Amino acid sequence: AQSVTQLGSHVSVSEGALVLLRCNYSSSVPPYLFWYVQYPNQGLQLLLKYTSAATLVKGINGFEAEFKKSETSFHLTKPSAHMSDAAEYFCAVRKAAGNKLTFGGGTRVLVKP
Amino acid sequence: EPEVTQTPSHQVTQMGQEVILRCVPISNHLYFYWYRQILGQKVEFLVSFYNNEISEKSEIFDDQFSVERPDGSNFTLKIRSTKLEDSAMYFCASSERSPPKIEQFFGPGTRLTVL
Repeated sequence: AQSVTQLGSHVSVSEGALVLLRCNYSSSVPPYLFWYVQYPNQGLQLLLKYTSAATLVKGINGFEAEFKKSETSFHLTKPSAHMSDAAEYFCAVRKAAGNKLTFGGGTRVLVKP
Repeated sequence: EPEVTQTPSHQVTQMGQEVILRCVPISNHLYFYWYRQILGQKVEFLVSFYNNEISEKSEIFDDQFSVERPDGSNFTLKIRSTKLEDSAMYFCASSERSPPKIEQFFGPGTRLTVL
């Protein structure tokens, strides 16, 4: 069975500092990988996705993620945090065959002024 | 921009009662999903639905749950006899085409509280 691990349920960063959110997956074959963001009282919004093309994926709002097969990782980064980045971030994986997304536990990001 | 909508935003019910959670997927989407998130836990897949039938379901989706697309726009999740442990945020999602590459668009969720 697939699983997704997000290291750190809470991350606090200063405005302008690097945001790094870690995601590791377990899968027998390279899956499809997604990062979603959830702002308060809103649904999950896709930030970016890896679908076996380029290993460095750029998403919305200045976020990017790098797929590293050897490390089974798909960490999310943003060079400079903004106050509006305060939200909860979810890493998710989907098998090549199948419909469901398997989510990590989420990481809540707090941005300090 | 098209979006998935869900009603109600918050539902409070007594244990043993039936509830129906409603979703309006994006209009040209063909695949529909329900997920739930119990407070403090991961978002979990419940069921996917395509062409008027369930295409995949999790072990959570037992006989007390059912889904339906009663008309061309709504997609519902029914819980026949709610239990305390059904208290959770329920998310509806839809996608335009067949997975796995295609993004699922999520609604804002319905918070179900079972007393």
